[in-house]
Amino acid sequence: GEDVEQSLFLSVREGDSSVINCTYTDSSSTYLYWYKQEPGAGLQLLTYIFSNMDMKQDQRLTVLLNKKDKHLSLRIADTQTGDSAIYFCAESIGDYKLSFGAGTTVTVRA
Amino acid sequence: EPEVTQTPSHQVTQMGQEVILRCVPISNHLYFYWYRQILGQKVEFLVSFYNNEISEKSEIFDDQFSVERPDGSNFTLKIRSTKLEDSAMYFCASSGQAETQYFGPGTRLLVL
Repeated sequence: GEDVEQSLFLSVREGDSSVINCTYTDSSSTYLYWYKQEPGAGLQLLTYIFSNMDMKQDQRLTVLLNKKDKHLSLRIADTQTGDSAIYFCAESIGDYKLSFGAGTTVTVRA
Repeated sequence: EPEVTQTPSHQVTQMGQEVILRCVPISNHLYFYWYRQILGQKVEFLVSFYNNEISEKSEIFDDQFSVERPDGSNFTLKIRSTKLEDSAMYFCASSGQAETQYFGPGTRLLVL
């Protein structure tokens, strides 16, 4: 089955690191994704990782993948107020479909 | 930077009416998708479209729904007879290669 789970809320102080966690169920997922949604906006593709990798770094973003435990995380270094948003984890199902988690609302406090 | 656009941004309709949601995918993309997000729920896959035909559809995508690429730039989702439970944010997405889907800003549909 396809089920992606995330914690719903994260509060972090400006300048600290944020870590958002996600678990997924489909072991055949080829790619795993992080999308960001700001208020009133669409889903912005932040980064994605191929399932045979265990880490990907892109500027302030680090994605860690533990395929054995089906656990994906997104670390945002030096979190800024502009990082306040909802972050969605998603897994690819087959060739065409993404299955999304419920989203983690990240609030950055001064 | 190229982006997916969607019109209208908001649509209010009466139950039983037909609605057409429009999307302009990124110009050189070949794969097109519709997703929806009912308020407070997860983003759900509706349908994917490639080479002028549906590649995959979910159980949500019943006979009331249809998609079309009427010309070289637009990709539309039609809901033939809207129901209250069709109220949601509808997202269009496109990809050049199947693994990276880029989403539009969404159309918020409200069925009264």
